[in-house]
Amino acid sequence: DQQVKQNSPSLSVQEGRISILNCDYTNSMFDYFLWYKKYPAEGPTFLISISSIKDKNEDGRFTVFLNKSAKHLSLHIVPSQPGDSAVYFCAASAIKAAGNKLTFGGGTRVLVKP
Amino acid sequence: NAGVMQNPRHLVRRRGQEARLRCSPMKGHSHVYWYRQLPEEGLKFMVYLQKENIIDESGMPKERFSAEFPKEGPSILRIQQVVRGDSAAYFCASSPREGRGDIQYFGAGTRLSVL
Repeated sequence: DQQVKQNSPSLSVQEGRISILNCDYTNSMFDYFLWYKKYPAEGPTFLISISSIKDKNEDGRFTVFLNKSAKHLSLHIVPSQPGDSAVYFCAASAIKAAGNKLTFGGGTRVLVKP
Repeated sequence: NAGVMQNPRHLVRRRGQEARLRCSPMKGHSHVYWYRQLPEEGLKFMVYLQKENIIDESGMPKERFSAEFPKEGPSILRIQQVVRGDSAAYFCASSPREGRGDIQYFGAGTRLSVL
């Protein structure tokens, strides 16, 4: 039972354009969402997060949007840079879950072409 | 300020041997999480520990797997009698305290290969 899904396994975008990554979840108890970026042979690196009381959070080139009614969130990267080429994971946690354990999506591999 | 340290980075074991994976959390962090990533998949939660306590082990297989986080020293994930299906990347994360909004910081992982 996959509670967090990233339906696009890969995304190719031109440098300077916008990258849009999508994530859907099924567990209505999730109330905190995070995006991580991962390079090969490295651990995930935190990018940006959003609480369920908000619908948007912005940090530099990264913006996360949350649509609770649709159980959907997206990550916008603009402008995309070659260094953004990596695998991006969406993660979620539930308010009553002990210890804030994260449930991850399967990841989206982004390739930014120069 | 060192990040989360995991060792070894790569570990090769034959079927039936034991694997010990170590994780030192970031300085000041007392919460440790272990996740496993199978090839081409996302990370799956295994266990959450605080010093000397297992808080949530709902993601850990009931047999052969164990975890500890002693008062002194790193957290250890132990896999006894490894099988080929245990081959994966194992990531440790730490956070300063429990609570919503606390970011988990990940180590570089240990890649376990079972021959």
